[in-house]
Amino acid sequence: GAVVSQHPSRVICKSGTSVKIECRSLDFQATTMFWYRQFPKQSLMLMATSNEGSKATYEQGVEKDKFLINHASLTLSTLTVTSAHPEDSSFYICSAELAGPYEQYFGPGTRLTVT
Amino acid sequence: AQKVTQAQTEISVVEKEDVTLDCVYETRDTTYYLFWYKQPPSGELVFLIRRNSFDEQNEISGRYSWNFQKSTSSFNFTITASQVVDSAVYFCALGGNYGGSQGNLIFGKGTKLSVKP
Repeated sequence: GAVVSQHPSRVICKSGTSVKIECRSLDFQATTMFWYRQFPKQSLMLMATSNEGSKATYEQGVEKDKFLINHASLTLSTLTVTSAHPEDSSFYICSAELAGPYEQYFGPGTRLTVT
Repeated sequence: AQKVTQAQTEISVVEKEDVTLDCVYETRDTTYYLFWYKQPPSGELVFLIRRNSFDEQNEISGRYSWNFQKSTSSFNFTITASQVVDSAVYFCALGGNYGGSQGNLIFGKGTKLSVKP
């Protein structure tokens, strides 16, 4: 089956630093990837939709200058949390859509802790 | 607007009991998809089922079964003879149909299932 990886799986950073999270579709090409955020004991909320070769579409309330998304290839999308603060600590999950059957596959998630 | 409601926040059962997790959805789309995912403590989402809105047949997979009823906009999930390994948070989700693409998924708030030995 289709596999999506995320790197790193866990990251701890200091307040004010930037963190990059990678989402890769390992065995298929994904024209669309989605980034979700999940705070503790809460549901997954969409942050942005990323299409290869174009600018990401952000959900209302998500700062595009703080959460930089780059989808430079059909197998890789990156989310950079710039100037991270403790309130950005969360579980970030990406999903990649396989065209044709239009099935979505989720990555294993990245747990970000900002100290 | 699209919305998924999982009214049960937490459920606790004893092993071997049957348990049903409720899911009610709202959408104006005529074609849509419904999903169930399991999220164990590790955090990784485990895909359980995807159902197209045109397919109202109930489905059984081992100890898992799903009851889809468009008339009540519900897509309930039943675990028969629950086991401790079933303990997790379960999410119901709704996807659209935009030229085939489901778009992003709308998730319910999840139901935390605890199965005690």
